[in-house]
Amino acid sequence: EVQLVESGGGLVQPGGSLRLSCAASGFTFSNYAVTWVRQAPGKGLEWVSAIKGSDDSTYYAESVKGRFSISRGNSENTLYLQMNSLRAEDTAVYYCARAVVATAIYLDCWGQGTLVTVSS
Amino acid sequence: QSVLTQPPSVSAAPGQAVTISCSGSSSNIGNNYVSWYQQLPGTAPKLLMYENYKRPSGIPDRFSGSKSGASATLGITGLQTGDEADYYCGTWDSSLSVWVFGGGTKLTVL
Repeated sequence: EVQLVESGGGLVQPGGSLRLSCAASGFTFSNYAVTWVRQAPGKGLEWVSAIKGSDDSTYYAESVKGRFSISRGNSENTLYLQMNSLRAEDTAVYYCARAVVATAIYLDCWGQGTLVTVSS
Repeated sequence: QSVLTQPPSVSAAPGQAVTISCSGSSSNIGNNYVSWYQQLPGTAPKLLMYENYKRPSGIPDRFSGSKSGASATLGITGLQTGDEADYYCGTWDSSLSVWVFGGGTKLTVL
C-alpha cells in the first residue's frame, strides 16, 4: 500500500525556520517525482514545490522561491522541505503528494498533512 | 487569484447531476492534461480524475471528466450526500514551469 506520512510541523515565529519531512512507503520512491502542496486555513490548495525522481530537478511557486528548499533522500525514502524566513502567510497544512510524470502529470497519492503555524 | 478559474460553489438535490467548470489558458489546460481532486471535509485531497477523463480504481462512473480547448469539466450524476466536498482541478503550466490548481468548488447536496 502506498503511504506518505508528513511530520515536522509546529508553531514557529515569523522569520524562523522549519524542516518538514515526508516518509514514503509502498513504492519505489526514487522512480517518482514528489511535491508539496499547502492549504491555508479555510482556503484552497496551493502548490508549493516539486522535485523530479529522474534527475532531482526542482520547481518552486513564486511565493516561496528563495525561502524554501525541496530535497529528497532516496536511500531513506524521504522527502524534505526546508522553510526559512517564514511569514504569517505561510501558515497552512502542508501535504506531500506523489506525482506521476508521464504523458500527463497528476498527483495520485497524498499524505494526511502537517500543520505549520507562523505566529509570534 | 488562481491561474485556473472554477465557480466557488455549486449545489443540487440528491439524485440530480452537476457540472464543475475549470477554465485556463493555452499554457496550462490548453496543452496539458487536467486532473481533478476531491477533498471531503477535514480530510486530505484525493485524486478523482486524471488525463482529463480517466478514473482511478475505486472511483464510481458517476464521475466523469472532459476537456475542450483551454477548459475542462467535471460531471457528477446521481448525487449523494457523501459527494459533498471541495473539488479542485489541476494541471501543469508549461510557460511558468509550475503546477496550478483551480480555486476550488464547494459542492452542496441539498
